[in-house]
Amino acid sequence: GENVEQHPSTLSVQEGDSAVIKCTYSDSASNYFPWYKQELGKGPQLIIDIRSNVGEKKDQRIAVTLNKTAKHFSLHITETQPEDSAVYFCAARETGTASKLTFGTGTRLQVTL
Amino acid sequence: NAGVTQTPKFQVLKTGQSMTLQCAQDMNHNSMYWYRQDPGMGLRLIYYSASEGTTDKGEVPNGYNVSRLNKREFSLRLESAAPSQTSVYFCASSARGTSGGATYEQYFGPGTRLTVT
Repeated sequence: GENVEQHPSTLSVQEGDSAVIKCTYSDSASNYFPWYKQELGKGPQLIIDIRSNVGEKKDQRIAVTLNKTAKHFSLHITETQPEDSAVYFCAARETGTASKLTFGTGTRLQVTL
Repeated sequence: NAGVTQTPKFQVLKTGQSMTLQCAQDMNHNSMYWYRQDPGMGLRLIYYSASEGTTDKGEVPNGYNVSRLNKREFSLRLESAAPSQTSVYFCASSARGTSGGATYEQYFGPGTRLTVT
């Protein structure tokens, strides 16, 4: 099955700086890579996703890049704000399955003033 | 729309007790999932249901059973709770179960925090 590794486990940045979280996956057939944000006491919520036929996707201050050859994808947050503080999860969808996602272990992002 | 709802929000069980976690979605989604979340381990899939009438094991199914009661509801049962099942449980749903073309986004409920003593 799919295996997703995520780094770093914790990340502290100053407000206004950029944050980058990286993930690698093992199954070259995986074709969908979402990123979820989880605020304290809540369920994860999708913030951006990318499919395997696209190299980069951007939505305002967040962007995701995908390198299929190296089997890694990254989340980029620019101009970070205190409300970006949360736990972020990457995931990969296995092909041929019922939209099953394999999640990374999470990154706790702290944006300090 | 309420999205995905879960009951209860919190539960404390003694070892050996049983309970059922309830999940319902009002988005007419085909697929539903149960995850557990433990510190440092991310979200791990327990069981999923690609469509009404089908269920399959995920990564960590031991000690659990599920029922897809209808298209809206998917329950998770612990027959004999163990301390190792202390966790936060999330239910999720998505629009399409198989084949491509549609969104794969999963929508999560608020979670159930379960403690087994």
